[in-house]
Amino acid sequence: AQSVTQLDSQVPVFEEAPVELRCNYSSSVSVYLFWYVQYPNQGLQLLLKYLSGSTLVESINGFEAEFNKSQTSFHLRKPSVHISDTAEYFCAVIEQGNLIFGKGTKLSVKP
Amino acid sequence: EAGVTQFPSHSVIEKGQTVTLRCDPISGHDNLYWYRRVMGKEIKFLLHFVKESKQDESGMPNNRFLAERTGGTYSTLKVQPAELEDSGVYFCASSRGAWRVDEQFFGPGTRLTVL
Repeated sequence: AQSVTQLDSQVPVFEEAPVELRCNYSSSVSVYLFWYVQYPNQGLQLLLKYLSGSTLVESINGFEAEFNKSQTSFHLRKPSVHISDTAEYFCAVIEQGNLIFGKGTKLSVKP
Repeated sequence: EAGVTQFPSHSVIEKGQTVTLRCDPISGHDNLYWYRRVMGKEIKFLLHFVKESKQDESGMPNNRFLAERTGGTYSTLKVQPAELEDSGVYFCASSRGAWRVDEQFFGPGTRLTVL
């Protein structure tokens, strides 16, 4: 069975600083990877996904993630964060059509 | 287009009582999923409907949980009788196609507290 590890439960950063949220998954022949974000009092929203092709995927709000097969990682990065990026971020992988999530990382952006 | 909605947003019940959670998926989405997040742990898959049929219910914790999707529209998840360990946030999600990596759209969740 697949598993997803998000090592950091909380990441505090200052506004305009870079951030990296780490995600590692258990190895599999083929893998589809996702990052979801949950803003306060809202449902999860898909931030970006890797299905195939280019290993670097980007979101519309400046986040990017790189699929690294050798390291079984899919870390999420942003070069300069905003207060509005404060949220909980979930890494997930598909297994038999269902999402397997990590425990989540709470990103707190301080002014 | 309305998103996935869930009702109620919060529910506080006593151990042994019954609670029914409701999910209304995005119109036209045949696939409906239930997930649960117990405090401090991962969001875990409970079950998957395709229209009114249960495609996969391997994540249902035990027979105190009953999910239905009559007519292939909204879904209910009933917990009877509720136990303390059932506390958590229950998420519903829906997706359009049967393609296994089609985007799942999530509702805001129902926070269930069992006292």
